[in-house]
Amino acid sequence: NAGVMQNPRHLVRRRGQEARLRCSPMKGHSHVYWYRQLPEEGLKFMVYLQKENIIDESGMPKERFSAEFPKEGPSILRIQQVVRGDSAAYFCASSPTDYNSPLHFGNGTRLTVT
Amino acid sequence: SQKIEQNSEALNIQEGKTATLTCNYTNYSPAYLQWYRQDPGRGPVFLLLIRENEKEKRKERLKVTFDTTLKQSLFHITASQPADSATYLCAPSEGGTASKLTFGTGTRLQVTL
Repeated sequence: NAGVMQNPRHLVRRRGQEARLRCSPMKGHSHVYWYRQLPEEGLKFMVYLQKENIIDESGMPKERFSAEFPKEGPSILRIQQVVRGDSAAYFCASSPTDYNSPLHFGNGTRLTVT
Repeated sequence: SQKIEQNSEALNIQEGKTATLTCNYTNYSPAYLQWYRQDPGRGPVFLLLIRENEKEKRKERLKVTFDTTLKQSLFHITASQPADSATYLCAPSEGGTASKLTFGTGTRLQVTL
């Protein structure tokens, strides 16, 4: 049973370009979470989605960032017009339910903005 | 505001000893608390979940305690091994149908021979 799959593992973008990060949850999981981790800092919650719905985006920057989890296909975290401060590791996690469920994390996408 | 505190300094212990990591929280009334392990370059891996009505939980060499009066959880690894070296994250949660998990910054454990 494959775990949470994230791709790409590493992504390099120039300032002003768009970054698209993809996440396929574990089989049977319909809840997806995105977290950001800066060097020497903790995991920061960004957004929580269920299929076709954004449940909680309280951690998402208001501009340039968006997330979706369509009925078919992976969840996508999109960052438009990237800036150097967006350089970080972005982790996706999934769970079968939203209450008391441990999260299953992918190994992240490391975004570097040059 | 809600705050989760874990010792930011690395914990260095000798193989075979018991490692004890602390997680303190403020302005939370967690229904449960989770512990995760994170290795460099990898995503966190779930270890244990303890509920507010449980004082202690064990899994193999791991033990977690949860004191809602002190607002603290302790994470113990007995008979520690070099392979236990990693960063350990705690995540208290108040639960709820749309709850998100908030993590502490983690404590790095280094087990030496």
